[in-house]
Amino acid sequence: DTAVSQTPKYLVTQMGNDKSIKCEQNLGHDTMYWYKQDSKKFLKIMFSYNNKELIINETVPNRFSPKSPDKAHLNLHINSLELGDSAVYFCASSQHLAVSTDTQYFGPGTRLTVL
Amino acid sequence: TQLLEQSPQFLSIQEGENLTVYCNSSSVFSSLQWYRQEPGEGPVLLVTVVTGGEVKKLKRLTFQFGDARKDSSLHITAAQPGDTGLYLCAGLYSGGGADGLTFGKGTHLIIQP
Repeated sequence: DTAVSQTPKYLVTQMGNDKSIKCEQNLGHDTMYWYKQDSKKFLKIMFSYNNKELIINETVPNRFSPKSPDKAHLNLHINSLELGDSAVYFCASSQHLAVSTDTQYFGPGTRLTVL
Repeated sequence: TQLLEQSPQFLSIQEGENLTVYCNSSSVFSSLQWYRQEPGEGPVLLVTVVTGGEVKKLKRLTFQFGDARKDSSLHITAAQPGDTGLYLCAGLYSGGGADGLTFGKGTHLIIQP
């Protein structure tokens, strides 16, 4: 069984559209994250959710909105897509938030291309 | 924002050679983690170092956390083509708050047979 899964794997869309990426973890973890990896492979955290509450919201445009229907899911909705949103988006989970010995488990990534 | 500087950014060496990748910061971290990422996949944790001066070994990989917990290194002995990948260091800031993991920009490693 895949620990952290994301759908879709690839997403190609036009500027201005609204899209969602889904993430599920079956590890029973309390915390889930969304990261953005740019074309230079720089991985930067966007959001984290701990027990369904938003903990971190880095300087991310409010066009991005994470939604967590339950502890095992953290979806990412993006409104009015822009060219600069093209990147690989990774979902991850860990047992706790900000515990130094915790392992973060990453999903396979969703490659978003905005045309 | 706490920054982690990784070096080198790119490294291509022959099979059998040794190499060291560095991860440096001006900030103190509660822990430093090293991840490896292969094309089309998410990063996978290799090791976590927590104590200043700590050294951990994973087969041919040796990880060290600096005494001041501001830097770390990854040393690979007798590199093999299977070691090829993107190596990322990530730190959990010890300054409090919920900053989460800060990642370095990665080292692209290619081991040529």
